[in-house]
Amino acid sequence: GQQVMQIPQYQHVQEGEDFTTYCNSSTTLSNIQWYKQRPGGHPVFLIQLVKSGEVKKQKRLTFQFGEAKKNSSLHITATQTTDVGTYFCAGLSNFGNEKLTFGTGTRLTIIP
Amino acid sequence: NAGVTQTPKFQVLKTGQSMTLQCAQDMNHEYMSWYRQDPGMGLRLIHYSVGAGITDQGEVPNGYNVSRSTTEDFPLRLLSAAPSQTSVYFCASSHRGVFSGANVLTFGAGSRLTVL
Repeated sequence: GQQVMQIPQYQHVQEGEDFTTYCNSSTTLSNIQWYKQRPGGHPVFLIQLVKSGEVKKQKRLTFQFGEAKKNSSLHITATQTTDVGTYFCAGLSNFGNEKLTFGTGTRLTIIP
Repeated sequence: NAGVTQTPKFQVLKTGQSMTLQCAQDMNHEYMSWYRQDPGMGLRLIHYSVGAGITDQGEVPNGYNVSRSTTEDFPLRLLSAAPSQTSVYFCASSHRGVFSGANVLTFGAGSRLTVL
């Protein structure tokens, strides 16, 4: 079945440093979504990418969807303590399957 | 709008006991799903439903049953709890389709289950 791998599993950064998490799917995706889960909370939708090579920005967050629609990345510039949490990518299959497959997540901790 | 409501928030069971995790949404979402979250494993899909009367298995369905008698409700049943089912369970729902916003999941707050 479809697998979505995400690296790294953990990332500790000094406040103000940049952070990147990468997502790779075993199959071509129709779209990819990103979610953020604060400690003790539930996943909250951040963004959805649909087009090959698409790049979207939300303030300090930049999301990319690969040309082959099998990989994606999330980059945070100048991290802040409010960025703490686990970031998940989730892929929707390209074959009419409505099940979102989540990556294993990257837990970001910030050292003040 | 309440969004997705899950009950209970916490539950402790003994091995072999049964229980039902409740999930209700008021957004008229066609799609509903249950995930479990374990350390280092991400979110794994247990069961899902694309509409009332229709359910299907996800990645880890064994030990769980679901039903979808109404659009709003999607309960998850554990018939005979096992320690391996200790986890945090999330219910999530979305609209179906190809329009902007479709397939975007809204999650409930989660239910933390411990099986002794």
